[in-house]
Amino acid sequence: EAAVTQSPRNKVTVTGGNVTLSCRQTNSHNYMYWYRQDTGHGLRLIHYSYGAGNLQIGDVPDGYKATRTTQEDFFLLLELASPSQTSLYFCASSSDSQDTQYFGPGTRLLVL
Amino acid sequence: GDSVTQTEGQVALSEEDFLTIHCNYSASGYPALFWYVQYPGEGPQFLFRASRDKEKGSSRGFEATYNKEATSFHLQKASVQESDSAVYYCALNYGGSGNKLIFGTGTLLSVKP
Repeated sequence: EAAVTQSPRNKVTVTGGNVTLSCRQTNSHNYMYWYRQDTGHGLRLIHYSYGAGNLQIGDVPDGYKATRTTQEDFFLLLELASPSQTSLYFCASSSDSQDTQYFGPGTRLLVL
Repeated sequence: GDSVTQTEGQVALSEEDFLTIHCNYSASGYPALFWYVQYPGEGPQFLFRASRDKEKGSSRGFEATYNKEATSFHLQKASVQESDSAVYYCALNYGGSGNKLIFGTGTLLSVKP
Protein backbone atom coordinates (compact mmCIF):
# COMPACT_ATOMS: atom_id res chain seq x y z
CA GLU A 1 0.00 0.00 0.00
CA ALA A 2 1.35 3.41 -0.98
CA ALA A 3 2.25 5.74 1.87
CA VAL A 4 1.38 9.41 1.71
CA THR A 5 1.78 11.59 4.79
CA GLN A 6 0.69 15.17 5.37
CA SER A 7 1.61 17.78 7.93
CA PRO A 8 0.29 19.50 9.86
CA ARG A 9 -2.99 17.63 10.34
CA ASN A 10 -4.70 20.74 11.59
CA LYS A 11 -3.83 24.41 11.11
CA VAL A 12 -5.44 27.67 12.19
CA THR A 13 -4.33 30.98 10.75
CA VAL A 14 -5.67 34.50 10.32
CA THR A 15 -6.70 36.31 7.17
CA GLY A 16 -3.57 37.46 5.36
CA GLY A 17 -1.43 34.83 7.04
CA ASN A 18 1.19 32.68 5.37
CA VAL A 19 0.63 28.91 5.40
CA THR A 20 2.61 25.98 4.05
CA LEU A 21 1.11 22.50 3.84
CA SER A 22 3.50 19.60 3.40
CA CYS A 23 3.12 16.27 1.70
CA ARG A 24 5.56 13.37 1.45
CA GLN A 25 5.23 10.08 -0.39
CA THR A 26 7.68 7.23 0.04
CA ASN A 27 6.81 5.05 -2.94
CA SER A 28 8.84 6.67 -5.69
CA HIS A 29 5.72 7.92 -7.44
CA ASN A 30 6.18 10.42 -10.24
CA TYR A 31 2.88 12.26 -9.91
CA MET A 32 1.70 14.23 -6.89
CA TYR A 33 -1.49 16.25 -6.47
CA TRP A 34 -3.12 18.74 -4.13
CA TYR A 35 -6.92 18.75 -3.74
CA ARG A 36 -9.33 20.64 -1.58
CA GLN A 37 -12.52 19.04 -0.30
CA ASP A 38 -15.61 21.09 0.43
CA THR A 39 -19.20 20.10 1.10
CA GLY A 40 -21.21 20.23 -2.10
CA HIS A 41 -18.12 20.25 -4.31
CA GLY A 42 -16.39 16.97 -3.64
CA LEU A 43 -12.65 17.07 -4.32
CA ARG A 44 -11.20 19.70 -6.61
CA LEU A 45 -7.69 19.70 -8.04
CA ILE A 46 -5.54 22.70 -7.11
CA HIS A 47 -2.09 21.85 -8.52
CA TYR A 48 -0.17 18.77 -9.53
CA SER A 49 3.33 17.76 -10.54
CA TYR A 50 4.95 14.96 -12.49
CA GLY A 51 8.43 15.32 -11.06
CA ALA A 52 10.84 17.39 -9.03
CA GLY A 53 10.79 21.00 -10.21
CA ASN A 54 7.65 20.50 -12.30
CA LEU A 55 4.32 22.21 -11.58
CA GLN A 56 1.01 21.98 -13.42
CA ILE A 57 -2.08 24.09 -12.88
CA GLY A 58 -5.22 22.35 -11.71
CA ASP A 59 -8.85 23.42 -11.76
CA VAL A 60 -8.96 25.79 -8.77
CA PRO A 61 -5.44 27.31 -8.57
CA ASP A 62 -6.27 30.91 -7.60
CA GLY A 63 -4.65 31.94 -4.32
CA TYR A 64 -2.37 28.89 -4.20
CA LYS A 65 1.21 28.20 -5.11
CA ALA A 66 2.92 24.85 -5.02
CA THR A 67 6.45 23.56 -5.20
CA ARG A 68 7.86 20.07 -5.78
CA THR A 69 11.31 20.08 -4.25
CA THR A 70 12.10 16.37 -4.59
CA GLN A 71 10.34 13.31 -5.92
CA GLU A 72 9.03 12.70 -2.39
CA ASP A 73 7.99 16.20 -1.29
CA PHE A 74 5.22 18.47 -2.55
CA PHE A 75 4.24 21.68 -0.78
CA LEU A 76 1.15 23.85 -1.03
CA LEU A 77 1.62 27.54 -0.21
CA LEU A 78 -1.03 30.07 0.76
CA GLU A 79 0.80 33.40 0.92
CA LEU A 80 -2.20 35.59 1.80
CA ALA A 81 -4.73 33.25 3.32
CA SER A 82 -8.41 34.12 3.04
CA PRO A 83 -11.48 32.66 4.82
CA SER A 84 -12.58 31.15 1.49
CA GLN A 85 -9.55 28.85 1.74
CA THR A 86 -10.88 27.22 4.88
CA SER A 87 -11.11 23.62 3.77
CA LEU A 88 -9.84 20.07 4.06
CA TYR A 89 -6.75 19.58 1.90
CA PHE A 90 -5.61 16.26 0.52
CA CYS A 91 -2.40 15.28 -1.13
CA ALA A 92 -2.24 12.28 -3.45
CA SER A 93 0.34 10.47 -5.54
CA SER A 94 0.41 8.01 -8.42
CA SER A 95 3.17 6.20 -10.23
CA ASP A 96 2.09 7.05 -13.75
CA SER A 97 -0.43 9.09 -15.67
CA GLN A 98 -3.09 6.36 -15.70
CA ASP A 99 -2.40 4.72 -12.38
CA THR A 100 -4.39 4.73 -9.18
CA GLN A 101 -4.03 7.79 -6.96
CA TYR A 102 -3.22 7.21 -3.29
CA PHE A 103 -4.36 9.85 -0.83
CA GLY A 104 -2.92 11.14 2.41
CA PRO A 105 -4.96 11.62 5.59
CA GLY A 106 -5.67 15.30 4.96
CA THR A 107 -4.95 18.67 6.57
CA ARG A 108 -7.80 20.68 8.00
CA LEU A 109 -7.17 24.41 7.56
CA LEU A 110 -9.18 27.14 9.26
CA VAL A 111 -8.64 30.76 8.20
CA LEU A 112 -10.15 33.22 10.67
CA GLY B 1 -16.41 20.57 -19.91
CA ASP B 2 -16.06 17.10 -18.46
CA SER B 3 -18.16 16.41 -15.38
CA VAL B 4 -19.47 13.72 -13.04
CA THR B 5 -22.93 13.74 -11.49
CA GLN B 6 -23.92 11.70 -8.45
CA THR B 7 -27.66 11.86 -7.99
CA GLU B 8 -27.88 10.91 -4.33
CA GLY B 9 -26.30 13.10 -1.70
CA GLN B 10 -27.23 10.67 1.07
CA VAL B 11 -28.43 7.08 1.18
CA ALA B 12 -29.72 5.41 4.34
CA LEU B 13 -30.07 1.60 4.37
CA SER B 14 -30.30 -1.30 6.77
CA GLU B 15 -27.84 -4.19 6.83
CA GLU B 16 -28.34 -6.72 4.01
CA ASP B 17 -30.16 -4.14 1.85
CA PHE B 18 -29.26 -3.76 -1.82
CA LEU B 19 -27.27 -0.64 -2.67
CA THR B 20 -27.28 1.47 -5.82
CA ILE B 21 -25.50 4.81 -6.07
CA HIS B 22 -26.00 6.49 -9.42
CA CYS B 23 -23.12 8.04 -11.33
CA ASN B 24 -23.41 9.70 -14.74
CA TYR B 25 -20.65 11.42 -16.60
CA SER B 26 -20.13 13.88 -19.42
CA ALA B 27 -16.92 13.55 -21.40
CA SER B 28 -15.66 12.94 -24.88
CA GLY B 29 -14.13 9.65 -25.88
CA TYR B 30 -13.58 6.89 -23.34
CA PRO B 31 -12.44 8.33 -20.03
CA ALA B 32 -11.42 5.90 -17.30
CA LEU B 33 -14.06 5.77 -14.56
CA PHE B 34 -13.38 5.22 -10.88
CA TRP B 35 -15.05 4.66 -7.54
CA TYR B 36 -13.33 5.86 -4.38
CA VAL B 37 -14.48 5.38 -0.78
CA GLN B 38 -13.74 7.72 2.11
CA TYR B 39 -14.13 6.66 5.73
CA PRO B 40 -14.42 9.28 8.49
CA GLY B 41 -11.12 10.97 9.27
CA GLU B 42 -9.31 9.38 6.32
CA GLY B 43 -8.40 10.24 2.77
CA PRO B 44 -10.25 8.69 -0.18
CA GLN B 45 -9.26 5.11 -1.04
CA PHE B 46 -9.35 3.61 -4.51
CA LEU B 47 -12.11 1.04 -4.82
CA PHE B 48 -11.94 0.02 -8.48
CA ARG B 49 -11.92 1.34 -12.03
CA ALA B 50 -13.08 0.52 -15.56
CA SER B 51 -11.65 1.81 -18.82
CA ARG B 52 -13.76 0.32 -21.65
CA ASP B 53 -17.41 0.14 -22.57
CA LYS B 54 -19.14 -2.82 -20.83
CA GLU B 55 -16.14 -3.46 -18.59
CA LYS B 56 -17.08 -4.34 -15.01
CA GLY B 57 -15.01 -3.15 -12.11
CA SER B 58 -15.37 -4.74 -8.69
CA SER B 59 -13.88 -4.89 -5.22
CA ARG B 60 -15.03 -5.87 -1.71
CA GLY B 61 -18.45 -6.92 -3.03
CA PHE B 62 -19.03 -3.60 -4.83
CA GLU B 63 -19.30 -3.49 -8.59
CA ALA B 64 -20.07 -1.13 -11.45
CA THR B 65 -20.27 -1.54 -15.22
CA TYR B 66 -19.05 1.03 -17.72
CA ASN B 67 -22.00 2.00 -19.92
CA LYS B 68 -20.93 4.25 -22.77
CA GLU B 69 -24.41 4.57 -24.26
CA ALA B 70 -25.99 5.66 -20.98
CA THR B 71 -22.82 7.49 -19.85
CA SER B 72 -23.15 5.77 -16.49
CA PHE B 73 -21.07 3.88 -13.94
CA HIS B 74 -23.52 3.04 -11.15
CA LEU B 75 -22.17 1.50 -7.95
CA GLN B 76 -23.98 -1.56 -6.60
CA LYS B 77 -23.67 -4.00 -3.75
CA ALA B 78 -26.02 -6.87 -3.08
CA SER B 79 -25.92 -6.83 0.72
CA VAL B 80 -24.49 -3.87 2.62
CA GLN B 81 -22.96 -4.03 6.07
CA GLU B 82 -22.66 -1.39 8.76
CA SER B 83 -18.93 -1.23 8.03
CA ASP B 84 -19.74 0.02 4.50
CA SER B 85 -20.90 3.33 5.96
CA ALA B 86 -18.73 5.95 4.25
CA VAL B 87 -18.73 8.59 1.51
CA TYR B 88 -18.48 7.19 -2.02
CA TYR B 89 -17.07 9.23 -4.89
CA CYS B 90 -17.38 8.56 -8.58
CA ALA B 91 -14.60 10.06 -10.70
CA LEU B 92 -13.36 10.20 -14.25
CA ASN B 93 -9.89 10.60 -15.64
CA TYR B 94 -9.38 13.35 -18.14
CA GLY B 95 -6.60 15.25 -19.80
CA GLY B 96 -3.86 14.08 -22.07
CA SER B 97 -1.09 14.38 -19.51
CA GLY B 98 -1.27 13.59 -15.86
CA ASN B 99 -3.83 11.40 -14.19
CA LYS B 100 -6.20 14.28 -13.51
CA LEU B 101 -9.43 13.20 -11.87
CA ILE B 102 -12.78 14.95 -11.83
CA PHE B 103 -14.80 13.86 -8.80
CA GLY B 104 -18.53 13.85 -8.25
CA THR B 105 -19.88 15.55 -5.14
CA GLY B 106 -20.00 12.29 -3.19
CA THR B 107 -22.73 10.13 -1.65
CA LEU B 108 -22.88 9.54 2.08
CA LEU B 109 -23.95 5.96 2.79
CA SER B 110 -25.30 5.23 6.26
CA VAL B 111 -26.07 1.61 7.11
CA LYS B 112 -28.04 0.76 10.25
CA PRO B 113 -27.44 -2.56 12.00
